[in-house]
Amino acid sequence: SYELTQPPSVSVSPGQTARITCSGDVLPKKYVYWYQQKSGQAPVLVIYEDNKRPSGIPERFSGSSSGTMATLTISGAQVEDEADYYCYSTDSSVNHRVFGGGTKLTVL
Amino acid sequence: QVQLVESGGGLVKPGGSLRLSCAASGFTFSDYYMSWIRQAPGKGLEWVSYISASRNITHYADSVKGRFTISRDNAKNSLNLQMNSLRAEDTAVYFCARESGSYYGYYFDYWGQGTLVTVSS
Repeated sequence: SYELTQPPSVSVSPGQTARITCSGDVLPKKYVYWYQQKSGQAPVLVIYEDNKRPSGIPERFSGSSSGTMATLTISGAQVEDEADYYCYSTDSSVNHRVFGGGTKLTVL
Repeated sequence: QVQLVESGGGLVKPGGSLRLSCAASGFTFSDYYMSWIRQAPGKGLEWVSYISASRNITHYADSVKGRFTISRDNAKNSLNLQMNSLRAEDTAVYFCARESGSYYGYYFDYWGQGTLVTVSS
């Protein structure tokens, strides 16, 4: 089965740059997406198609993907960015959708 | 605006059945693939199943294959998930989500708020 691997946690101070990685063998062929989930809420899309930002998402959120690794970067992280972040993609057949295990971002 | 509202969650005994529904509004429901995604308490997101816009394609995660059935009624703008032979490990919040994208990636652009399913004796 296809897997996406994320670090369980990342911690930064306010104003620092947070980087969350996601690795997977299919990433060279398929787009990666990033979701932010705050406690008790539904996930929110923050990056789509590797590096595009939906309307309403702050410019400090950016994404990149190279080879089998994708990265979500939060430049100048704010306390309100504390959340769980999930990378997501599809397998090579596009029949299965896969989430990474999630990364808990702490900003303090 | 796009709205997805899940219902049907609750407490069920192991081996029992439950049917979840998702009422969609604010978009042309019959144009979009739809998915169910779940999240066990304190755990990560797990995709469960998707159904194509015209209902002729469905796929399931290995963990639910043969036990869950996804369906949709485009006339009623409704998505359903029939869950049979439920196990304790199926305990989770179940989200319905609209899909967008293409061959290079299908993703979930709108989510409901979720409905809790608890499987316990």
